[in-house]
Amino acid sequence: GESVGLHLPTLSVQEGDNSIINCAYSNSASDYFIWYKQESGKGPQFIIDIRSNMDKRQGQRVTVLLNKTVKHLSLQIAATQPGDSAVYFCAENTHGGGNKLTFGTGTQLKVEL
Amino acid sequence: DTAVSQTPKYLVTQMGNDKSIKCEQNLGHDTMYWYKQDSKKFLKIMFSYNNKELIINETVPNRFSPKSPDKAHLNLHINSLELGDSAVYFCASRGNRGYGYTFGSGTRLTVV
Repeated sequence: GESVGLHLPTLSVQEGDNSIINCAYSNSASDYFIWYKQESGKGPQFIIDIRSNMDKRQGQRVTVLLNKTVKHLSLQIAATQPGDSAVYFCAENTHGGGNKLTFGTGTQLKVEL
Repeated sequence: DTAVSQTPKYLVTQMGNDKSIKCEQNLGHDTMYWYKQDSKKFLKIMFSYNNKELIINETVPNRFSPKSPDKAHLNLHINSLELGDSAVYFCASRGNRGYGYTFGSGTRLTVV
């Protein structure tokens, strides 16, 4: 399944399916992007990152795609598991007065058994 | 060992009170941050310190005063607490290599 949204949307997927979480970023000068996972009651946890000179990066079960033309970022999770249930945030790094990560609004991923 | 630790984890207080949240990191990072997460999960940067020097102050009311006694600590003091200050406050740190942040587990502040 896929999700796009400005509010906190919810994406529900069946265990074992692939998940796609989308994000629109705002600053064309951003040079680095990160996906974070936040479980209930915990702080955001780093998942995967990508630099602006790349368009794809793969990790273990996760892939990040970057389309700078339309300022779009996506996170693909293969074979989604119950432990993947969390809120996912994209973040963009900007310079100027100090490096700063600006977060997107987040997507709630629910994995159904 | 916890990399970025915040205390307290929960804080319930009345309007008008003054309170502090403490943060410590043992990662040897030079840069630390405070973020505020509202009830809709939106994360917004408040402050950033690099080696005890304030480098980012994002239009936060001056009731909020960060203090960094050394580069491993960044505390947040809030005066005259208001209902709208209720949120989860996250501390984070970043090393000189790369831009990824390590976050603490958050402090849930409830103003009643």
